[in-house]
Amino acid sequence: QSALTQPPSASGSPGQSVTISCTGTSSDVGGYNSVSWYQQHPGKAPKLMIYEVTKRPSGVPDRFSGSKSGNTASLTVSGLQAEDEADYYCSSHAGTNNVLFGGGTKLTVL
Amino acid sequence: EVQLVESGGGLVQPGGSLRLSCGASGFTFGDYWMTWVRQAPGKGLEWVATIKPDGSEEYYVDSVKGRFTISRDNAKRSLFLQLNSLRAEDMTVYYCARFGYYFGIDVWGQGTTVTVSS
Repeated sequence: QSALTQPPSASGSPGQSVTISCTGTSSDVGGYNSVSWYQQHPGKAPKLMIYEVTKRPSGVPDRFSGSKSGNTASLTVSGLQAEDEADYYCSSHAGTNNVLFGGGTKLTVL
Repeated sequence: EVQLVESGGGLVQPGGSLRLSCGASGFTFGDYWMTWVRQAPGKGLEWVATIKPDGSEEYYVDSVKGRFTISRDNAKRSLFLQLNSLRAEDMTVYYCARFGYYFGIDVWGQGTTVTVSS
């Protein structure tokens, strides 16, 4: 199975909003409400930001939100802050308890 | 504190074997699906394998089927990944991780590095 498709880069100025897309197929993103989003700073382990498409773990700011339409999921970061600059990865159940990750998006805060 | 700590990474020749271990603390290990995820330097995340809480079922990415084996010892709160027939493309950082939500990984180890080189 191919990785989920994410734009390689995204950017925004402090205070602005940015949306990162994650496109799959009806066999993964479109077929399950299992999309998660992870934030990864250089040299660090990933951190869960969104699970089950729209839910935030405790401690994740409500500036981070998730959504899905058809085979495409999205992560929106509102009120961009300098510390939001990181790599972001989506993932989804892909059937038979397999997991697919996206290729990652480097978010730059201008 | 909820924590996962990997060990066992290192240098191995192509075709060789290695066993990665992951010790869990701060939560009831036997209640959770566990997984291994890897990441090559400068590259994205790749799911490798998942195991059910009781160890009765295992799932693998196609590229490692028949070569890697995930296992667990709930009494010792430990997760393992046996890596056989290693190839250059297996050379990455391997993360031990917990599915705390429906396909959401909420706890990650610090990663252990596997280097495949002659």
